[in-house]
Amino acid sequence: ETGVTQSPTHLIKTRGQQVTLRCSSQSGHNTVSWYQQALGQGPQFIFQYYREEENGRGNFPPRFSGLQFPNYSSELNVNALELDDSALYLCASSPRPQGPNYGYTFGSGTRLTVV
Amino acid sequence: DQQVKQNSPSLSVQEGRISILNCDYTNSMFDYFLWYKKYPAEGPTFLISISSIKDKNEDGRFTVFLNKSAKHLSLHIVPSQPGDSAVYFCAASVRTGGFKTIFGAGTRLFVKA
Repeated sequence: ETGVTQSPTHLIKTRGQQVTLRCSSQSGHNTVSWYQQALGQGPQFIFQYYREEENGRGNFPPRFSGLQFPNYSSELNVNALELDDSALYLCASSPRPQGPNYGYTFGSGTRLTVV
Repeated sequence: DQQVKQNSPSLSVQEGRISILNCDYTNSMFDYFLWYKKYPAEGPTFLISISSIKDKNEDGRFTVFLNKSAKHLSLHIVPSQPGDSAVYFCAASVRTGGFKTIFGAGTRLFVKA
């Protein structure tokens, strides 16, 4: 088990730009979820991918999109960045979409700053 | 749309005593509830969970209680240790056209030696 790794750890982008954040899930975990955590708040669910298909989405606009690959890696893409997109983005993986007994394994996150 | 609420932003307890962290929810369709612990500069770590058909789940020093009629759950830590000092998030998951997990805003626990 290598855990969940995210890259980059920190990123600064300009308003209107596009960004791609990357995540490498724990080996054997075919489910990945992405979360946005603003300062002082809990993680907000963006979407979940299971076996390379989106199978759940939170209240985020379509400019937030994702991809999951067969090698357990995934991407979060955000187009037309806005200042309010500045946050910590967390990736979490699990062996199944819902983890009643084991929850999700989170990465340490990517801190995105939009200026 | 705050379906999961943790109304206490912080809690301070003495080492050896019980810590009780509370969480309220509004969506009766939630089928699993989970607690996560987060240290600074790290991602949340899964702690314990409970199915909506249960009212208690215990794992070592950690016990989660679920009161469905009150839409309330709590995490008890006994005895509390200084290493338990962290931010604790309550989360709930539901399957409605896909899976969603909703987190509360977190409670910062301080355990004093």
